[in-house]
Amino acid sequence: AQKITQTQPGMFVQEKEAVTLDCTYDTSDPSYGLFWYKQPSSGEMIFLIYQGSYDQQNATEGRYSLNFQKARKSANLVISASQLGDSAMYFCAMREGSGGSNYKLTFGKGTLLTVNP
Amino acid sequence: DAGVTQSPTHLIKTRGQHVTLRCSPISGHKSVSWYQQVLGQGPQFIFQYYEKEERGRGNFPDRFSARQFPNYSSELNVNALLLGDSALYLCASSFYDWNTEAFFGQGTRLTVV
Repeated sequence: AQKITQTQPGMFVQEKEAVTLDCTYDTSDPSYGLFWYKQPSSGEMIFLIYQGSYDQQNATEGRYSLNFQKARKSANLVISASQLGDSAMYFCAMREGSGGSNYKLTFGKGTLLTVNP
Repeated sequence: DAGVTQSPTHLIKTRGQHVTLRCSPISGHKSVSWYQQVLGQGPQFIFQYYEKEERGRGNFPDRFSARQFPNYSSELNVNALLLGDSALYLCASSFYDWNTEAFFGQGTRLTVV
């Protein structure tokens, strides 16, 4: 079973509008972390935002916010006021467990976001 | 401060050859992880090293090996290259092995012909 599912292969948004990128996850571990990364065509993975499984509030970082719905196992990324520079591939990832076993990220297949002027 | 640096940025090798990829983590970071990203997919975990010890290994054949040096830099070695090894290889560094943030380098694009 897929641990991270991103159902939107591609998304289009007009500049200055908000967009939501979907991510659902599957884990039986009570301790986990959810990440969103941006990957421009240059290849570098740029960290955007993190949500821990025990965090009570949704994470926010500038124009990025994470809509965390634990019961639905959903961790959608919301980008407000889209900019042309936001055009890139976006990956949702999960780290399961804690302590010494908490070492790897499992990524989804990504969503290609295109911001139109 | 310098971010995670990887070398080389691009590489072309022939089937059956060996390749060594290098990664220098952010200064002060003690953990390095390696990921393989084939075209159209998300990155797949290969290895993690923390304080020079292997902490985890993904589902990759023994042709893949890695090590971490006393200065925390790391090498990823791949023997007997196959066409399917063509991918972007990403290195990530973090201070601890369980850090909430892992910072990635720009990657090495390996093409096997």
